[in-house]
Amino acid sequence: AQSVTQPDIHITVSEGASLELRCNYSYGATPYLFWYVQSPGQGLQLLLKYFSGDTLVQGIKGFEAEFKRSQSSFNLRKPSVHWSDAAEYFCAVGSGTYKYIFGTGTRLKVLA
Amino acid sequence: DAGVIQSPRHEVTEMGQEVTLRCKPISGHDYLFWYRQTMMRGLELLIYFNNNVPIDDSGMPEDRFSAKMPNASFSTLKIQPSEPRDSAVYFCASSLSGGLQETQYFGPGTRLLVL
Repeated sequence: AQSVTQPDIHITVSEGASLELRCNYSYGATPYLFWYVQSPGQGLQLLLKYFSGDTLVQGIKGFEAEFKRSQSSFNLRKPSVHWSDAAEYFCAVGSGTYKYIFGTGTRLKVLA
Repeated sequence: DAGVIQSPRHEVTEMGQEVTLRCKPISGHDYLFWYRQTMMRGLELLIYFNNNVPIDDSGMPEDRFSAKMPNASFSTLKIQPSEPRDSAVYFCASSLSGGLQETQYFGPGTRLLVL
């Protein structure tokens, strides 16, 4: 069965530090992979997505993610975190035609 | 563009009462999705519509839940009767067309508390 694992429930980083959020997926075919961000009281916003091609994907707000088939991973990175990046981040895999399977999320705290 | 609009933003009700959540998708989007977010189960797809027609409601938890889309600009998710375990954040999302390559745009959610 398809699944997404985000092993880190909470992550705290200092402003200006680099960030990596982990995501592992289980999917039989070539996956469609997504990262969404949810700010407090807001809906989810798409950061980036991977379907095929270049395994390093650039997104909005300075985020990028790298698809590694051998590791079944799609980790999200940012070289320098800003205080406004504090939010909850969700990794998702596309299942079937329209369905997303979401991970449980990683809550990011940014220290000033 | 106003984005996906949901109302109410917060709802507190008592067990046994009927609850109706509302959603206005982005104009021109043909697909509408209802999700539920809980601490225990994370984000789950409940149902989605294509051109106002329900396509897949396999995620609807039980018969107490029903969803309608009477026209392209309005959808409702109804819970009758409500139970405390229905407490969650309910999101509506819409996309321009079908397929996972299309970005789903999420509304701000309705936070439901059933006492």
